[in-house]
Amino acid sequence: SAVISQKPSRDICQRGTSLTIQCQVDSQVTMMFWYRQQPGQSLTLIATANQGSEATYESGFVIDKFPISRPNLTFSTLTVSNMSPEDSSIYLCSVVGSGGSRGGELFFGEGSRLTVL
Amino acid sequence: RKEVEQDPGPFNVPEGATVAFNCTYSNSASQSFFWYRQDCRKEPKLLMSVYSSGNEDGRFTAQLNRASQYISLLIRDSKLSDSATYLCVVGPLGYSTLTFGKGTMLLVSP
Repeated sequence: SAVISQKPSRDICQRGTSLTIQCQVDSQVTMMFWYRQQPGQSLTLIATANQGSEATYESGFVIDKFPISRPNLTFSTLTVSNMSPEDSSIYLCSVVGSGGSRGGELFFGEGSRLTVL
Repeated sequence: RKEVEQDPGPFNVPEGATVAFNCTYSNSASQSFFWYRQDCRKEPKLLMSVYSSGNEDGRFTAQLNRASQYISLLIRDSKLSDSATYLCVVGPLGYSTLTFGKGTMLLVSP
């Protein structure tokens, strides 16, 4: 299993500002994922944070809006830039546990609940 | 057709009841199938993987129907603690590009 700590757990922000969310894992992992879960919606993958290279963004998400850092194998940050009320959501960090090529279990942090006024 | 579709519910059942959820997926090339559980205001946690032959874990049984492109979750002898949202997750082999359904809410009452 993996233990994931996210900070902040929640925040209320003014539009136009930026917020950086931190994700710390208790073991070294190759890939870390950032998801968004908007109210009443499914989890949507924002990007995959790769250590030593740029993050890989999914369709609809861009680096300017969601810059990601991955300085080492246990830590990543996601910044939500120039926030608007539409960015109000829960942001979740995730890593893969053991599971082989089938696709292992995804472990999630407790999430960062962001409200933009 | 949505990539992964679930009945949002809520399913209201009494303790001890048997309840089943279905989830349909659109990508016939999908190879990985999971059920995750998400409690209110908590992160999702893996409930069980779904294998082609079907699999059972205690009171929970998961099945895959590739021809009709759906997976199912059966919960027997429902407990109050089973109240949660159940997320269907589908994807290719490997770890990225998993697609989550919106979830089915289950409420088990005394």
